Amino acid sequence: KNQVEQSPQSLIILEGKNCTLQCNYTVSPFSNLRWYKQDTGRGPVSLTIMTFSENTKSNGRYTATLDADTKQSSLHITASQLSDSASYICVVSAGGGATNKLIFGTGTLLAVQP
Amino acid sequence: SAVISQKPSRDICQRGTSLTIQCQVDSQVTMMFWYRQQPGQSLTLIATANQGSEATYESGFVIDKFPISRPNLTFSTLTVSNMSPEDSSIYLCSGRDGSYNEQFFGPGTRLTVL
Repeated sequence: KNQVEQSPQSLIILEGKNCTLQCNYTVSPFSNLRWYKQDTGRGPVSLTIMTFSENTKSNGRYTATLDADTKQSSLHITASQLSDSASYICVVSAGGGATNKLIFGTGTLLAVQP
Repeated sequence: SAVISQKPSRDICQRGTSLTIQCQVDSQVTMMFWYRQQPGQSLTLIATANQGSEATYESGFVIDKFPISRPNLTFSTLTVSNMSPEDSSIYLCSGRDGSYNEQFFGPGTRLTVL
């Protein structure tokens, strides 16, 4: 069964600190892995997309890594800001082409406190 | 990246009534989808909206309950019919660009059924 699991479920950090969110997946066939940020009351916004051959990808203070052998990904947030408070969702794309399906994790709820 | 808007942003409805949610994309997208997100949960795919033909529904979702239209490449509607309190949720529209496989989400429609 295709599944995406994230940890921790929630996290509280102080402003300016770094943090790392984890994602484990069992999805076949694997197409790509995405990290989305979802602010409260808003739709998810894409942060990164990585294919099988990519190990790391950055978007500003966000850096995602992918280990396709162990089927693990992480999202590292550097020098956190209050605006980083949101839910971060790991999404794995199963299949190929335009018809592939997205398998969503349940998200990590991050709270950045001053 | 495509920008997706939804109307209404939120609504409170009475049991037994129906609500139609509109989704507008600012550019042509290959595919459009409708998702449901219940509080504290991840996104669940309801159906793929097909242009000019019947939508493709996921297991557990049926056309009589969630009729969907997609008259062109940039617009779709989802109707939640004969609503019950269990339909209270956030409904999100999504579009995918087939060339880049990027998938965008609307801000969501928060529905409360009394």
